[in-house]
Amino acid sequence: DQQVKQNSPSLSVQEGRISILNCDYTNSMFDYFLWYKKYPAEGPTFLISISSIKDKNEDGRFTVFLNKSAKHLSLHIVPSQPGDSAVYFCAASSGGGADGLTFGKGTHLIIQP
Amino acid sequence: DTEVTQTPKHLVMGMTNKKSLKCEQHMGHRAMYWYKQKAKKPPELMFVYSYEKLSINESVPSRFSPECPNSSLLNLHLHALQPEDSALYLCASSHTGADQPQHFGDGTRLSIL
Repeated sequence: DQQVKQNSPSLSVQEGRISILNCDYTNSMFDYFLWYKKYPAEGPTFLISISSIKDKNEDGRFTVFLNKSAKHLSLHIVPSQPGDSAVYFCAASSGGGADGLTFGKGTHLIIQP
Repeated sequence: DTEVTQTPKHLVMGMTNKKSLKCEQHMGHRAMYWYKQKAKKPPELMFVYSYEKLSINESVPSRFSPECPNSSLLNLHLHALQPEDSALYLCASSHTGADQPQHFGDGTRLSIL
């Protein structure tokens, strides 16, 4: 039973345009959501997160939106750059601290020149 | 650059060997985690340590034995592993409060012969 779902295995976007990565979750206990970026042969790198008390968090080119009623979050990257090409994992946790993360299967983002 | 350091980067061992994976962080984090990631799959939680005490064990077989000797170090002792245990083993750390992102090392690529 997959509690965090990323339904797009891959996404191709032209350089300079907006990349939108989507994530859905089923567990109502999740209250903290994160996005990680992963290059081959490296560990996941933390990008941005959002608490369930917010509906938007922005950090430079990265914005995460949370729709709790729909149990859906999205990551917007604008403008997209070639270095953004990587696998992006959505993750979620509950419990208030020192809790494990549940990851989605990832979306491979490819930025086309 | 990652602030969570894992050694070794690669490990090949036979099914009768005993080896250990090591993880170190100096960010003052008091929560540390082990994850396992198989090819083309998301990371899956194995263990959580909070203030050097094991707080979560996700029903991991006893051939994996974690140890947290102090607040900066986390070990994973391996014994009598099976070929299906071949995977990337990721260590992460975080502060223990709510809504704290986990920071990952680059992992140890383990191959069981």
